[in-house]
Amino acid sequence: QKEVEQDPGPLSVPEGAIVSLNCTYSNSAFQYFMWYRQYSRKGPELLMYTYSSGNKEDGRFTAQVDKSSKYISLFIRDSQPSDSATYLCAMSETSGSRLTFGEGTQLTVNP
Amino acid sequence: GAVVSQHPSRVICKSGTSVKIECRSLDFQATTMFWYRQFPKQSLMLMATSNEGSKATYEQGVEKDKFLINHASLTLSTLTVTSAHPEDSSFYICSARSASGGTPYEQYFGPGTRLTVT
Repeated sequence: QKEVEQDPGPLSVPEGAIVSLNCTYSNSAFQYFMWYRQYSRKGPELLMYTYSSGNKEDGRFTAQVDKSSKYISLFIRDSQPSDSATYLCAMSETSGSRLTFGEGTQLTVNP
Repeated sequence: GAVVSQHPSRVICKSGTSVKIECRSLDFQATTMFWYRQFPKQSLMLMATSNEGSKATYEQGVEKDKFLINHASLTLSTLTVTSAHPEDSSFYICSARSASGGTPYEQYFGPGTRLTVT
């Protein structure tokens, strides 16, 4: 069983839709949770990060962590064609430990 | 700030040859650099962690004699794929963490190097 599970998609939505991306994990020691966006043939860029449980909002993006369910989500409001990319969740146990990535969800926002 | 570059961005080599990929932190000092491999439509798999001035720590299943990592300075780490084979064809991505970076978020990724072995 993978430590982090993420539906690879592909996910296709119309412009303006609300997008929900999710990851589940099995390691209860994970405390740091990140979402990265990766455009084709580029390196990942950090979108959102949270520590422990709770919600965090940044513009059109909202990250949620439910440690009791071992479930994290990223919501994108008013999605734009420029949001089309692969979204990777990542987690780590401590501040200095390695990142464990999900498989990535490929998102296409159609104009 | 926090820019990481990789060179080359793309390389094609013949089977049996060696290829060196450079990873540089341009505007900060990176005490730790990470090397990942990503196959098409798959996630990033950590290959090794390197700390400046010391030997790299390799993940289980990664051949250290095949993937040579050198972190000679606070701004440069290199990955050399020795005796490359077609199955080594992949997207190699480095990331760097600054000396003051105390959280996992403060790990900055390079743009990646696409290696094709023919």
